Amino acid sequence: DAGVIQSPRHEVTEMGQEVTLRCKPISGHNSLFWYRQTMMRGLELLIYFNNNVPIDDSGMPEDRFSAKMPNASFSTLKIQPSEPRDSAVYFCASSTGTRGQPQHFGDGTRLSIL
Amino acid sequence: AQRVTQPEKLLSVFKGAPVELKCNYSYSGSPELFWYVQYSRQRLQLLLRHISRESIKGFTADLNKGETSFHLKKPFAQEEDSAMYYCAPNTGANSKLTFGKGITLSVRP
Repeated sequence: DAGVIQSPRHEVTEMGQEVTLRCKPISGHNSLFWYRQTMMRGLELLIYFNNNVPIDDSGMPEDRFSAKMPNASFSTLKIQPSEPRDSAVYFCASSTGTRGQPQHFGDGTRLSIL
Repeated sequence: AQRVTQPEKLLSVFKGAPVELKCNYSYSGSPELFWYVQYSRQRLQLLLRHISRESIKGFTADLNKGETSFHLKKPFAQEEDSAMYYCAPNTGANSKLTFGKGITLSVRP
């Protein structure tokens, strides 16, 4: 398996623009997680899905952030409009969803908002 | 409230020195515990989990329920161990993890 695949790897855009981050989980995994990593806050869970349904979005910072999982093999995290403070590395992870099973992370998207 | 604490932000040691990265948790019940490692500008990777009771890259971690700790240890650090290490308990019915703040391990030659 290719593992969790995220795109793009890097994104540089100007504030106010819409940003869409993409994630393809490992085949057969039914839980998907979006994280944000910054120097100041460390690793934060933004939202997670189980069987394509959002279970906990309490980590989503504000209404500018939205996430979807239209099917078992694809998820998006969208920021609209983007702001400089959104600059971070965004990771996607997937797992089988069973307690005690590890999460597998993608390579992340390094986002810079100018 | 569920909480995981990694009290130190940075640990710097010389090559060959012993390493202990601390992790304490506050949960009722029996959590499943993991250590993840992140090498410079790379993805987080699973290092080990307590249910496996295994040693990976020379690292071990023992769950101490009395002290609610899951410290990561290695007797002789190597330069390639330099990385960020995260402790992460899994307490719910699914695979959601709560990550600690992480600790940077720096191993000097």
